[in-house]
Amino acid sequence: DQQVKQNSPSLSVQEGRISILNCDYTNSMFDYFLWYKKYPAEGPTFLISISSIKDKNEDGRFTVFLNKSAKHLSLHIVPSQPGDSAVYFCAATWGLDNFGNEKLTFGTGTRLTIIP
Amino acid sequence: DTGVSQDPRHKITKRGQNVTFRCDPISEHNRLYWYRQTLGQGPEFLTYFQNEAQLEKSRLLSDRFSAERPKGSFSTLEIQRTEQGDSAMYLCASSLAGPETPDTQYFGPGTRLTVL
Repeated sequence: DQQVKQNSPSLSVQEGRISILNCDYTNSMFDYFLWYKKYPAEGPTFLISISSIKDKNEDGRFTVFLNKSAKHLSLHIVPSQPGDSAVYFCAATWGLDNFGNEKLTFGTGTRLTIIP
Repeated sequence: DTGVSQDPRHKITKRGQNVTFRCDPISEHNRLYWYRQTLGQGPEFLTYFQNEAQLEKSRLLSDRFSAERPKGSFSTLEIQRTEQGDSAMYLCASSLAGPETPDTQYFGPGTRLTVL
């Protein structure tokens, strides 16, 4: 039962253009979402997060959009740079009204390649 | 560097042997998590600790797996009688649980286990 889905295994984008990575979820209890970036032979690195009380969160070149009715979120990277080439994981959890979060449920990842 | 560290980074063992991995979290973090990642999948939650208490275990954590965090600092994950299906990347993460938004988990580089 894949509660967090990333349907695009890979994506190639020209340097300087916008990269859009998508993620869908099925569990209505999820209220906090995160994006992680992973280089080969390294652990996932936290990028950006969003809670269900918002529909957008920005941090520099990275913006995450949340559409709760569609159970869909997306990560926009503008402008894309060669160093952005990595595997991106969407993750979800719940506990906005509790004391911290617990386990993260991850998608299967999207490999982003930025073409110089 | 004061990030999450894991040891060893790679472990090759024969089926039936026992293995133990170590994780050192970020020093002030009170929560510690273990995840497992297999090829083509996202990390899957195994277990987590708040201080020295193990608060949740996934059904993925069979009786052959045991995790400890004896003094609320470093943690060990032991796999007894390893099987080829145990081959995976074992990831450790830590976080500082607080009263505000769900805490962000920071991952170590992982231990890659190969069972022959």
